[in-house]
Amino acid sequence: GAGVSQSPRYKVAKRGQDVALRCDPISGHVSLFWYQQALGQGPEFLTYFQNEAQLDKSGLPSDRFFAERPEGSVSTLKIQRTQQEDSAVYLCASSPDAEVYGYTFGSGTRLTVV
Amino acid sequence: SQKIEQNSEALNIQEGKTATLTCNYTNYSPAYLQWYRQDPGRGPVFLLLIRENEKEKRKERLKVTFDTTLKQSLFHITASQPADSATYLCAPSPNQGGKLIFGQGTELSVKP
Repeated sequence: GAGVSQSPRYKVAKRGQDVALRCDPISGHVSLFWYQQALGQGPEFLTYFQNEAQLDKSGLPSDRFFAERPEGSVSTLKIQRTQQEDSAVYLCASSPDAEVYGYTFGSGTRLTVV
Repeated sequence: SQKIEQNSEALNIQEGKTATLTCNYTNYSPAYLQWYRQDPGRGPVFLLLIRENEKEKRKERLKVTFDTTLKQSLFHITASQPADSATYLCAPSPNQGGKLIFGQGTELSVKP
């Protein structure tokens, strides 16, 4: 597709439920990033892939958060046993070379944990 | 720890004026810095990238400066228009493989 696609656009989860958020990057983009954005704040780094390799996961808040990109294209961010503090917008971005071209972001998935 | 500060208060200006947004960073030396625009309910959109050896960069009505001594970047929009109203995010690189650290953003409102 022409841009980065994220699904679902909105997700309401009951506390304790597991969720999976999907990201379809632009075809051919090597780098893929996940960010978490709270209301009124800037995006906070979660994790980064180059092709299928997860090179940095230092921003994942806890071991309940897990990300994968098994074939170097589509990525999934999984949150186990969701808690209210997980409520946020989860943004995915891709780039052919972030140090040259910047990121192309998707519109995000708004997760609300009730 | 690495810290980024942008104007926390919203910036309100009149159409046609120049908007100037500030980004200050501490405790690291980015090789480059990026600016993004974010509209409500949307992901950020890449605007400009400036490297540490570039003092200034321009793109149409946008101008970015990067002062590595002051640890500051300024983002200017000349001849501002109501359509420029958005939140603008500064993102200096911590030099870790393309990873960016974002500031909290400055909300700009341009009144006709």
